[in-house]
Amino acid sequence: GQQLNQSPQSMFIQEGEDVSMNCTSSSIFNTWLWYKQDPGEGPVLLIALYKAGELTSNGRLTAQFGTTRKDSFLNISASIPSDVGIYFCAGRSLGETSGSRLTFGEGTQLTVNP
Amino acid sequence: EPEVTQTPSHQVTQMGQEVILRCVPISNHLYFYWYRQILGQKVEFLVSFYNNEISEKSEIFDDQFSVERPDGSNFTLKIRSTKLEDSAMYFCASRFRTSTPNEQFFGPGTRLTVL
Repeated sequence: GQQLNQSPQSMFIQEGEDVSMNCTSSSIFNTWLWYKQDPGEGPVLLIALYKAGELTSNGRLTAQFGTTRKDSFLNISASIPSDVGIYFCAGRSLGETSGSRLTFGEGTQLTVNP
Repeated sequence: EPEVTQTPSHQVTQMGQEVILRCVPISNHLYFYWYRQILGQKVEFLVSFYNNEISEKSEIFDDQFSVERPDGSNFTLKIRSTKLEDSAMYFCASRFRTSTPNEQFFGPGTRLTVL
Protein backbone atom coordinates (compact mmCIF):
# COMPACT_ATOMS: atom_id res chain seq x y z
CA GLY A 1 0.00 0.00 0.00
CA GLN A 2 0.87 3.66 0.01
CA GLN A 3 3.49 4.88 2.44
CA LEU A 4 3.82 8.31 3.95
CA ASN A 5 7.01 9.38 5.67
CA GLN A 6 6.38 12.00 8.31
CA SER A 7 9.09 13.90 10.13
CA PRO A 8 10.16 14.64 12.67
CA GLN A 9 8.81 11.86 14.87
CA SER A 10 8.83 14.14 17.90
CA MET A 11 9.56 17.73 18.80
CA PHE A 12 10.21 19.43 22.12
CA ILE A 13 9.90 23.20 21.93
CA GLN A 14 9.44 26.24 24.11
CA GLU A 15 6.19 28.15 24.17
CA GLY A 16 6.25 30.88 21.55
CA GLU A 17 8.47 29.03 19.10
CA ASP A 18 7.44 28.16 15.57
CA VAL A 19 7.13 24.53 14.48
CA SER A 20 7.50 22.84 11.12
CA MET A 21 6.77 19.28 10.12
CA ASN A 22 6.41 17.54 6.80
CA CYS A 23 5.24 14.46 4.98
CA THR A 24 6.51 12.86 1.81
CA SER A 25 5.07 10.09 -0.30
CA SER A 26 6.46 7.84 -2.98
CA SER A 27 3.50 8.51 -5.25
CA ILE A 28 1.48 11.50 -6.32
CA PHE A 29 -1.31 12.53 -3.97
CA ASN A 30 -4.36 14.56 -4.94
CA THR A 31 -5.35 15.42 -1.38
CA TRP A 32 -3.39 16.24 1.74
CA LEU A 33 -5.00 16.57 5.15
CA TRP A 34 -3.53 17.46 8.50
CA TYR A 35 -5.07 16.13 11.70
CA LYS A 36 -4.32 16.61 15.39
CA GLN A 37 -4.92 13.85 17.90
CA ASP A 38 -5.10 14.37 21.64
CA PRO A 39 -4.54 11.38 23.96
CA GLY A 40 -7.47 8.97 23.95
CA GLU A 41 -9.37 10.89 21.30
CA GLY A 42 -9.98 10.74 17.59
CA PRO A 43 -8.08 12.77 14.99
CA VAL A 44 -9.45 16.27 14.48
CA LEU A 45 -9.18 17.76 11.01
CA LEU A 46 -7.07 20.93 10.93
CA ILE A 47 -6.49 21.73 7.27
CA ALA A 48 -7.39 20.19 3.90
CA LEU A 49 -5.40 20.80 0.70
CA TYR A 50 -6.49 19.89 -2.81
CA LYS A 51 -4.20 21.58 -5.33
CA ALA A 52 -0.47 21.55 -5.90
CA GLY A 53 1.09 24.69 -4.47
CA GLU A 54 -1.99 25.48 -2.37
CA LEU A 55 -1.22 27.32 0.85
CA THR A 56 -3.98 27.33 3.49
CA SER A 57 -4.11 28.81 6.97
CA ASN A 58 -6.23 28.02 9.99
CA GLY A 59 -5.37 30.49 12.73
CA ARG A 60 -1.72 29.96 13.67
CA LEU A 61 -1.51 26.88 11.44
CA THR A 62 -0.41 27.02 7.83
CA ALA A 63 -0.14 24.04 5.51
CA GLN A 64 1.08 23.72 1.97
CA PHE A 65 0.50 21.17 -0.77
CA GLY A 66 3.92 20.63 -2.31
CA THR A 67 4.39 21.47 -5.98
CA THR A 68 5.62 17.96 -6.75
CA ARG A 69 2.33 16.63 -5.28
CA LYS A 70 4.40 14.21 -3.24
CA ASP A 71 4.79 16.27 -0.11
CA SER A 72 3.09 18.58 2.31
CA PHE A 73 4.18 20.85 5.14
CA LEU A 74 2.53 22.08 8.32
CA ASN A 75 3.76 25.11 10.23
CA ILE A 76 2.55 26.26 13.62
CA SER A 77 3.50 29.77 14.61
CA ALA A 78 3.91 31.08 18.17
CA SER A 79 3.17 27.72 19.80
CA ILE A 80 1.14 27.54 23.00
CA PRO A 81 0.79 24.70 25.53
CA SER A 82 -2.53 23.51 24.07
CA ASP A 83 -0.75 22.74 20.78
CA VAL A 84 0.58 19.61 22.49
CA GLY A 85 -0.54 16.44 20.76
CA ILE A 86 0.20 14.19 17.82
CA TYR A 87 -0.05 15.70 14.36
CA PHE A 88 -0.79 13.36 11.48
CA CYS A 89 -0.61 14.00 7.81
CA ALA A 90 -3.02 11.99 5.70
CA GLY A 91 -3.54 11.82 2.01
CA ARG A 92 -5.33 10.24 -0.86
CA SER A 93 -3.26 8.90 -3.71
CA LEU A 94 -4.07 9.81 -7.29
CA GLY A 95 -4.57 6.15 -8.12
CA GLU A 96 -7.02 5.37 -5.32
CA THR A 97 -10.46 4.05 -6.10
CA SER A 98 -13.66 5.86 -5.26
CA GLY A 99 -13.60 4.54 -1.70
CA SER A 100 -11.43 7.50 -0.76
CA ARG A 101 -9.34 5.68 1.77
CA LEU A 102 -6.90 7.93 3.60
CA THR A 103 -3.30 6.90 4.16
CA PHE A 104 -1.84 8.28 7.37
CA GLY A 105 1.70 9.24 8.29
CA GLU A 106 3.37 7.98 11.44
CA GLY A 107 2.67 11.17 13.34
CA THR A 108 4.72 13.93 14.95
CA GLN A 109 4.49 14.11 18.73
CA LEU A 110 4.68 17.77 19.75
CA THR A 111 5.57 18.82 23.29
CA VAL A 112 5.45 22.49 24.22
CA ASN A 113 7.20 23.60 27.38
CA PRO A 114 5.67 26.66 29.05
CA GLU B 1 -21.41 21.57 15.83
CA PRO B 2 -22.39 18.10 14.56
CA GLU B 3 -19.97 15.31 15.36
CA VAL B 4 -19.42 11.61 14.93
CA THR B 5 -20.21 9.61 18.07
CA GLN B 6 -19.07 6.11 19.00
CA THR B 7 -20.07 3.59 21.64
CA PRO B 8 -18.80 2.08 23.77
CA SER B 9 -15.73 4.14 24.59
CA HIS B 10 -13.97 1.01 25.89
CA GLN B 11 -14.75 -2.64 25.24
CA VAL B 12 -13.00 -5.53 26.92
CA THR B 13 -13.59 -8.99 25.53
CA GLN B 14 -12.20 -12.50 25.62
CA MET B 15 -10.37 -13.90 22.64
CA GLY B 16 -12.79 -15.67 20.32
CA GLN B 17 -15.79 -13.58 21.32
CA GLU B 18 -17.79 -11.43 18.93
CA VAL B 19 -17.87 -7.66 19.38
CA ILE B 20 -19.94 -4.96 17.76
CA LEU B 21 -18.67 -1.42 17.71
CA ARG B 22 -21.23 1.28 17.06
CA CYS B 23 -21.04 4.64 15.38
CA VAL B 24 -23.46 7.42 14.62
CA PRO B 25 -22.04 9.44 11.71
CA ILE B 26 -22.86 13.09 11.12
CA SER B 27 -26.47 13.16 10.00
CA ASN B 28 -26.21 14.42 6.42
CA HIS B 29 -23.03 12.53 5.59
CA LEU B 30 -23.11 9.85 2.94
CA TYR B 31 -19.74 8.09 3.16
CA PHE B 32 -18.69 6.10 6.19
CA TYR B 33 -15.38 4.59 7.25
CA TRP B 34 -13.72 2.48 9.88
CA TYR B 35 -10.08 2.90 10.77
CA ARG B 36 -8.01 1.36 13.52
CA GLN B 37 -4.97 2.50 15.45
CA ILE B 38 -2.82 0.03 17.35
CA LEU B 39 -1.33 1.67 20.44
CA GLY B 40 1.52 3.99 19.49
CA GLN B 41 1.10 3.43 15.77
CA LYS B 42 -0.47 5.25 12.88
CA VAL B 43 -4.10 5.19 11.86
CA GLU B 44 -4.91 2.44 9.33
CA PHE B 45 -7.82 2.23 6.94
CA LEU B 46 -10.17 -0.73 7.29
CA VAL B 47 -13.24 -0.16 5.14
CA SER B 48 -15.36 2.43 3.40
CA PHE B 49 -19.11 2.22 2.93
CA TYR B 50 -21.43 4.09 0.59
CA ASN B 51 -24.96 3.56 -0.64
CA ASN B 52 -25.42 0.57 1.65
CA GLU B 53 -22.44 -1.36 0.41
CA ILE B 54 -18.73 -1.66 0.93
CA SER B 55 -16.89 0.51 -1.59
CA GLU B 56 -13.36 -0.39 -0.54
CA LYS B 57 -11.63 -2.50 2.06
CA SER B 58 -8.05 -3.04 3.12
CA GLU B 59 -6.13 -6.25 3.54
CA ILE B 60 -6.76 -5.97 7.29
CA PHE B 61 -10.51 -6.26 6.73
CA ASP B 62 -10.73 -10.04 6.39
CA ASP B 63 -13.68 -12.41 6.76
CA GLN B 64 -13.79 -11.84 10.52
CA PHE B 65 -14.92 -8.26 9.95
CA SER B 66 -18.25 -6.99 8.69
CA VAL B 67 -20.02 -3.65 8.57
CA GLU B 68 -23.65 -2.75 8.54
CA ARG B 69 -25.90 0.26 8.48
CA PRO B 70 -28.93 -1.26 10.21
CA ASP B 71 -30.99 1.93 10.18
CA GLY B 72 -30.75 5.54 9.05
CA SER B 73 -28.34 6.62 11.74
CA ASN B 74 -26.11 3.79 12.99
CA PHE B 75 -23.05 2.29 11.36
CA THR B 76 -21.54 -0.79 12.98
CA LEU B 77 -18.34 -2.81 12.79
CA LYS B 78 -18.55 -6.44 13.84
CA ILE B 79 -15.59 -8.65 14.61
CA ARG B 80 -16.81 -12.24 14.65
CA SER B 81 -14.06 -13.99 16.59
CA THR B 82 -11.65 -11.57 18.18
CA LYS B 83 -7.92 -12.19 18.31
CA LEU B 84 -5.35 -10.66 20.62
CA GLU B 85 -3.99 -8.60 17.75
CA ASP B 86 -7.39 -6.96 17.26
CA SER B 87 -6.69 -4.87 20.36
CA ALA B 88 -6.63 -1.29 19.14
CA MET B 89 -8.53 1.97 18.97
CA TYR B 90 -11.24 1.79 16.33
CA PHE B 91 -12.33 5.04 14.75
CA CYS B 92 -15.41 5.68 12.72
CA ALA B 93 -15.34 8.54 10.24
CA SER B 94 -17.79 10.10 7.83
CA ARG B 95 -17.80 12.63 5.06
CA PHE B 96 -20.47 14.60 3.28
CA ARG B 97 -20.20 14.11 -0.43
CA THR B 98 -17.88 14.74 -3.32
CA SER B 99 -17.96 18.52 -2.91
CA THR B 100 -15.61 18.01 0.01
CA PRO B 101 -14.04 14.88 -1.33
CA ASN B 102 -11.75 13.81 1.41
CA GLU B 103 -12.63 15.79 4.50
CA GLN B 104 -13.33 12.89 6.76
CA PHE B 105 -14.47 13.63 10.30
CA PHE B 106 -13.53 11.18 12.98
CA GLY B 107 -15.30 10.01 16.10
CA PRO B 108 -13.62 9.74 19.50
CA GLY B 109 -12.92 6.04 19.04
CA THR B 110 -13.62 2.78 20.84
CA ARG B 111 -10.72 1.20 22.65
CA LEU B 112 -10.98 -2.57 22.15
CA THR B 113 -9.01 -4.78 24.49
CA VAL B 114 -8.89 -8.50 23.72
CA LEU B 115 -7.71 -10.72 26.57
